[in-house]
Amino acid sequence: DAGVIQSPRHEVTEMGQEVTLRCKPISGHDYLFWYRQTMMRGLELLIYFNNNVPIDDSGMPEDRFSAKMPNASFSTLKIQPSEPRDSAVYFCASSLGLAGLYNEQFFGPGTRLTVL
Amino acid sequence: GQQVMQIPQYQHVQEGEDFTTYCNSSTTLSNIQWYKQRPGGHPVFLIQLVKSGEVKKQKRLTFQFGEAKKNSSLHITATQTTDVGTYFCAGLSGYNYGQNFVFGPGTRLSVLP
Repeated sequence: DAGVIQSPRHEVTEMGQEVTLRCKPISGHDYLFWYRQTMMRGLELLIYFNNNVPIDDSGMPEDRFSAKMPNASFSTLKIQPSEPRDSAVYFCASSLGLAGLYNEQFFGPGTRLTVL
Repeated sequence: GQQVMQIPQYQHVQEGEDFTTYCNSSTTLSNIQWYKQRPGGHPVFLIQLVKSGEVKKQKRLTFQFGEAKKNSSLHITATQTTDVGTYFCAGLSGYNYGQNFVFGPGTRLSVLP
């Protein structure tokens, strides 16, 4: 398996533009997570899905952020409009949940977002 | 809300020296996971601890979960340059992710050859 795939790896955009980050989880994994990593706030869980259904989006910073998972092999994180404070590395991770057991999360390589 | 702290924030060691990072939670944890992130890389899972007082070893790495399930430690014996990176603990305080699953700020380890 190729692991968790994210695209793009780097994104530079101007304030006010829409940004879409993409993620393909490991085949067969039923949990998908979106994280944001900054020096100031560390690793923050933004939202997670179980079997394509958003379970908890309480970590999403504001309404400018939205995430979807239309099928088991694809998810997007959208920021509209983007702001300079959104600059961060965004990670997608997936895991296989087994009846109450919480298993390791496999992280993708991340998307480094810079908003000018 | 749940808070997870790690100390130290940074640690510089000479190759061959030992290293320990400590993780403390404000709430009792269901389990704790440890991850390593190399510079410029992504977090990679190391281990998960579930039971009170549990100790697990991976070669030179020893992981421990406190009796009260509110703290944990990672100890590396005889560090090598390949150990360089940031070590994160992540604690689950309930039985669902979301606000119950929090990463600590990490301990950045540098190893001088």
